[in-house]
Amino acid sequence: GDSVTQMEGPVTLSEEAFLTINCTYTATGYPSLFWYVQYPGEGLQLLLKATKADDKGSNKGFEATYRKETTSFHLEKGSVQVSDSAVYFCALSEGGKLIFGQGTELSVKP
Amino acid sequence: DVKVTQSSRYLVKRTGEKVFLECVQDMDHENMFWYRQDPGLGLRLIYFSYDVKMKEKGDIPEGYSVSREKKERFSLILESASTNQTSMYLCASSLGNTRTYGYTFGSGTRLTVV
Repeated sequence: GDSVTQMEGPVTLSEEAFLTINCTYTATGYPSLFWYVQYPGEGLQLLLKATKADDKGSNKGFEATYRKETTSFHLEKGSVQVSDSAVYFCALSEGGKLIFGQGTELSVKP
Repeated sequence: DVKVTQSSRYLVKRTGEKVFLECVQDMDHENMFWYRQDPGLGLRLIYFSYDVKMKEKGDIPEGYSVSREKKERFSLILESASTNQTSMYLCASSLGNTRTYGYTFGSGTRLTVV
């Protein structure tokens, strides 16, 4: 079946560093791809999405591009802040459901 | 904004109790989902529903049941709570076209079974 693989965490960065969180997927069809963020003690919030190949999703300085040729949807941010510390989940659509990766914990130090 | 409300943020129950976790959404979403989240295991789908009175098993339905009597409400039931059901439970909802809009999640219920 369809699946999502994320890089393992935790990822620890200094403030203003460049962030990349890798996400690759396996799918038989043409899914949409999503990034969700979970702050401590809360539910998941949609961060950005892309619905077809070569689409770029962006929000709050985060970006990800849907790469069909490499089956990837890597999350990037040019300059992270302490407030970006959270767990990030990559997901793909399969029918009416979302399939999630395991999550990557990001810790940003001042 | 769509709101998904889970009735409790924290819950402590005793082994063997029947536990009800309630989830209500206010934007007429067709689809509703229950996940549990555990460290190192990510999000695992317990049950989902695409319509009123309809339910489908997810990946880990054992020990759980659900009820969807009204479109806006999706209840998760632990028939006889056990300590291995201690977890964070997340409810989510989506419009029929999940691939376009994704899910909206509630804030979660952290359940401890003692």
